[in-house]
Amino acid sequence: AQTVTQSQPEMSVQEAETVTLSCTYDTSENNYYLFWYKQPPSRQMILVIRQEAYKQQNATENRFSVNFQKAAKSFSLKISDSQLGDTAMYFCAFMKPPLLNTDKLIFGTGTRLQVFP
Amino acid sequence: KAGVTQTPRYLIKTRGQQVTLSCSPISGHRSVSWYQQTPGQGLQFLFEYFSETQRNKGNFPGRFSGRQFSNSRSEMNVSTLELGDSALYLCASSLRLAEGVTINEQFFGPGTRLTVL
Repeated sequence: AQTVTQSQPEMSVQEAETVTLSCTYDTSENNYYLFWYKQPPSRQMILVIRQEAYKQQNATENRFSVNFQKAAKSFSLKISDSQLGDTAMYFCAFMKPPLLNTDKLIFGTGTRLQVFP
Repeated sequence: KAGVTQTPRYLIKTRGQQVTLSCSPISGHRSVSWYQQTPGQGLQFLFEYFSETQRNKGNFPGRFSGRQFSNSRSEMNVSTLELGDSALYLCASSLRLAEGVTINEQFFGPGTRLTVL
């Protein structure tokens, strides 16, 4: 069974600084998808970034980038130039490959990020 | 285009009662998944539906059930409510065009917060 581990329950960063959130996972699959989702306080979950395991290049989305280490089964999220609006709960999630016809996400326990002015 | 909507947003029930939650996916989305979010257990997968068929079910007791209608709207039902069923129930939809097609981003609704007294 797949598992996702986020070892940092809480983190804080000052505005404009850079912060990295950690995520490790366990799977026997060779192809899969990894995601970071953001859940602001009392607001709905939105997708921040995704990574296909077959792609060696790390995904980037504006200020958000990942460091995907397939052999180490590590998938960290780097937020550059942190903004107050980045304050949220961040979840790392795993999905099996689409040929298995499932959209089921397996989530980590989350990291609560606080951005201070 | 309207996002995923969930009704009701808040619900208070007493032990032993039953409850039905509704989810309307984004127009054109045919895949709907449900998750339970609690402080203790985090985000746990309940079930997913595609074209009115349940594809996967999480490790929840038979008191939890769901269905999907021909217009892709989905409902989940919890019978004989227990205190531990208090949670935020999230629905997510995705545009799954066909079996085995590339990964589809999941869009989450705002959730239904269920409190069981």
